[in-house]
Amino acid sequence: DAKTTQPPSMDCAEGRAANLPCNHSTISGNEYVYWYRQIHSQGPQYIIHGLKNNETNEMASLIITEDRKSSTLILPHATLRDTAVYYCIVRAQTGANNLFFGTGTRLTVIP
Amino acid sequence: DTGVSQDPRHKITKRGQNVTFRCDPISEHNRLYWYRQTLGQGPEFLTYFQNEAQLEKSRLLSDRFSAERPKGSFSTLEIQRTEQGDSAMYLCASSFEGVNEQFFGPGTRLTVL
Repeated sequence: DAKTTQPPSMDCAEGRAANLPCNHSTISGNEYVYWYRQIHSQGPQYIIHGLKNNETNEMASLIITEDRKSSTLILPHATLRDTAVYYCIVRAQTGANNLFFGTGTRLTVIP
Repeated sequence: DTGVSQDPRHKITKRGQNVTFRCDPISEHNRLYWYRQTLGQGPEFLTYFQNEAQLEKSRLLSDRFSAERPKGSFSTLEIQRTEQGDSAMYLCASSFEGVNEQFFGPGTRLTVL
């Protein structure tokens, strides 16, 4: 699976949009971009995934650049409960079944 | 609660002792995964089952570690002759074949003294 690069930490004001970037310049054509988050003392939680089109669900939006070498996870109105470590993972749909998490971005939402 | 459950949530043991953790996946999920997470790091894959078959094992899974899923439902992870370096959070996840999302349990935090 391709490697991802994320900033180690970010702050966001409560109520504002949180934009979390991820670089995956070596992504291959059959690899999806997944986002998970881990709130303190809990297991990781799936947020969203996409291949090349932008995706939106009740939790977040995922914007993938046209060349697919980077993506941004957007939490439109961050709340204090969104404080967590956010992991960007690149993974093929078939083949390896494990997720490679890396160290993620620690997002702190500030009141 | 029909999510993934793990037992115990916390375990403190002395070096050299054996420990066993249990994971109960979401009932209709046929895939089960074990991960290990140390402080400040993301979870690292250990092993994966599809039904009762253990299909993949990481190099992190030394011969002191053994995992089973005898009836394709719950799974156990045993660590023999624990070492201080085994101190970590052990996470279990499950998924249904063909579905992208893995559902994680709350983890078992192991402390080896």
